[in-house]
Amino acid sequence: NAGVTQTPKFRVLKTGQSMTLLCAQDMNHEYMYWYRQDPGMGLRLIHYSVGEGTTAKGEVPDGYNVSRLKKQNFLLGLESAAPSQTSVYFCASRNSFMNTEAFFGQGTRLTVV
Amino acid sequence: AQSVTQLGSHVSVSEGALVLLRCNYSSSVPPYLFWYVQYPNQGLQLLLKYTTGATLVKGINGFEAEFKKSETSFHLTKPSAHMSDAAEYFCAVSDPQSGGGADGLTFGKGTHLIIQP
Repeated sequence: NAGVTQTPKFRVLKTGQSMTLLCAQDMNHEYMYWYRQDPGMGLRLIHYSVGEGTTAKGEVPDGYNVSRLKKQNFLLGLESAAPSQTSVYFCASRNSFMNTEAFFGQGTRLTVV
Repeated sequence: AQSVTQLGSHVSVSEGALVLLRCNYSSSVPPYLFWYVQYPNQGLQLLLKYTTGATLVKGINGFEAEFKKSETSFHLTKPSAHMSDAAEYFCAVSDPQSGGGADGLTFGKGTHLIIQP
């Protein structure tokens, strides 16, 4: 059971570089999310999607873009990386029933120098 | 908007002692409630959840939590701590009135549980 898979697991970027983080889920979930985790801040929602072709902003969307071209994939893009985007990024998915939990990937540790 | 408060960023207990991790939420409508555990360099794993019904919920690894509406709390407990319980614990809520919870879970800042031998 793969569940939610994130690639890559680690990445170091220089300021101004761009990259895309990929999230794939094999549970046929409607909802997908990108969170960032910073020490003492818990998890904060960046963007989310309620279905193929739809995206919406979360709590901390600035500097990020997302796309959901296929139901199973949710991409997070950084167009011009900044040191403030150094963080651990988690993707999660959830089905559309209100009382269900989210399933998380293993995370991507991104360092921007 | 929902908010979640976890009292104590770090909690230290002795092996074999009671574990109590506190979680309070702010909402006029009872939300759906979750506890997740995160081991070092791993993702989040669901421990337990409360949606409706019995207010005392049992989860994995011997943990349980009780939903108390009057106190807007959902504290996590375990009768006897084990060294393997050392991890980060997150309380999270989902607002059933917020588009079916489509906009995700709101997390507390986390509590780091330390187990003393």
